Amino acid sequence: QKEVEQDPGPLSVPEGAIVSLNCTYSNSAFQYFMWYRQYSRKGPELLMYTYSSGNKEDGRFTAQVDKSSKYISLFIRDSQPSDSATYLCAMSAADYKLSFGAGTTVTVRA
Amino acid sequence: SAVISQKPSRDICQRGTSLTIQCQVDSQVTMMFWYRQQPGQSLTLIATANQGSEATYESGFVIDKFPISRPNLTFSTLTVSNMSPEDSSIYLCSVTGERSGNTIYFGEGSWLTVV
Repeated sequence: QKEVEQDPGPLSVPEGAIVSLNCTYSNSAFQYFMWYRQYSRKGPELLMYTYSSGNKEDGRFTAQVDKSSKYISLFIRDSQPSDSATYLCAMSAADYKLSFGAGTTVTVRA
Repeated sequence: SAVISQKPSRDICQRGTSLTIQCQVDSQVTMMFWYRQQPGQSLTLIATANQGSEATYESGFVIDKFPISRPNLTFSTLTVSNMSPEDSSIYLCSVTGERSGNTIYFGEGSWLTVV
């Protein structure tokens, strides 16, 4: 079993829809949780960073962490074609060594 | 946030040769890491680059194949030695530290194709 599980998709939604992404993990030591966006032939771009259970909102993006269930989510509201990318969840313990999910490929149709 | 520059951005390499990738950060950072992303795959940690001492390698990665240097708090190099087509990947430098609020940032990556 992988430390971090993420459905690779692909996920296709119409413009304006809410995109829902999630990951589960097995390592109780994980305390930092991140979501990265990666466009083709580019490095990962940090979208959201959380270190506690609960919700964090930044513009159209909301990240949720439920440590008791070992489950994290990312929601993208009012999705745009420019949001089409691969979304990677990543998490680490106190050593900052990231374990990544497989990445979910998202396409937002105009 | 930290600005991370990687060189080269991409290269085509001959089998059996070695290539050194540089990572330069615009501010001092506490920790620097090197990751690999094989085609169609997610990222895998190669090693932690320790300033002034030997790097700490993850399972499956060895110093002879991926020697790493970190002479100061803003610069690191990763060498991919004796390359084979299986080494064709994106190699990514990442950093974190107090100045970045302990968030982890990535460079744009170095795309290597081994022929």
